[in-house]
Amino acid sequence: AQRVTQPEKLLSVFKGAPVELKCNYSYSGSPELFWYVQYSRQRLQLLLRHISRESIKGFTADLNKGETSFHLKKPFAQEEDSAMYYCALSGSNFGNEKLTFGTGTRLTIIP
Amino acid sequence: NAGVTQTPKFRILKIGQSMTLQCTQDMNHNYMYWYRQDPGMGLKLIYYSVGAGITDKGEVPNGYNVSRSTTEDFPLRLELAAPSQTSVYFCASSYGGGANTGELFFGEGSRLTVL
Repeated sequence: AQRVTQPEKLLSVFKGAPVELKCNYSYSGSPELFWYVQYSRQRLQLLLRHISRESIKGFTADLNKGETSFHLKKPFAQEEDSAMYYCALSGSNFGNEKLTFGTGTRLTIIP
Repeated sequence: NAGVTQTPKFRILKIGQSMTLQCTQDMNHNYMYWYRQDPGMGLKLIYYSVGAGITDKGEVPNGYNVSRSTTEDFPLRLELAAPSQTSVYFCASSYGGGANTGELFFGEGSRLTVL
């Protein structure tokens, strides 16, 4: 069975400090990993996908198949980064775009 | 372009009552989904659809039904509401595949309380 684990429910970081949100997954096939974000009073939305190898709003995430991890990182936190972050997993075994979500990490940036 | 629209935003039900959560999207997406989110938990897939006339169960389908008669609409029906169905429900849609893989567009959510 596929599973996504986000070990930190809450994370507080000072503005300007580095941020790392942890995500580990369990999946027997070839995974596709995503980070979703929900800002206050906004809808859940896609932040980035590993296959695109993109940097969005200064965030990056590298898929490490050996450690089955997909941690989200940003070198210098900004106040507007405060939000709820969800790691999500999909894969070829699903045959479509069903996503399995982690329980989320609430990130608070301290001014 | 409204995206994904869910109604109602809030609802209180008594045990045993039935109701339908409405979801419509105007992006001509083939794929639509219903998730529920309980406090402190991730989103769990209830039902999904890959196109009009096609629906399938997700991880937690018991107590729910869906239909997909049009591309735009994907209502979720709760029959005989139970306190365990107290949750926030999210409808989502996606184009499906290719460069857009994994990009789901979510509604604002519907908070349902069963007393």
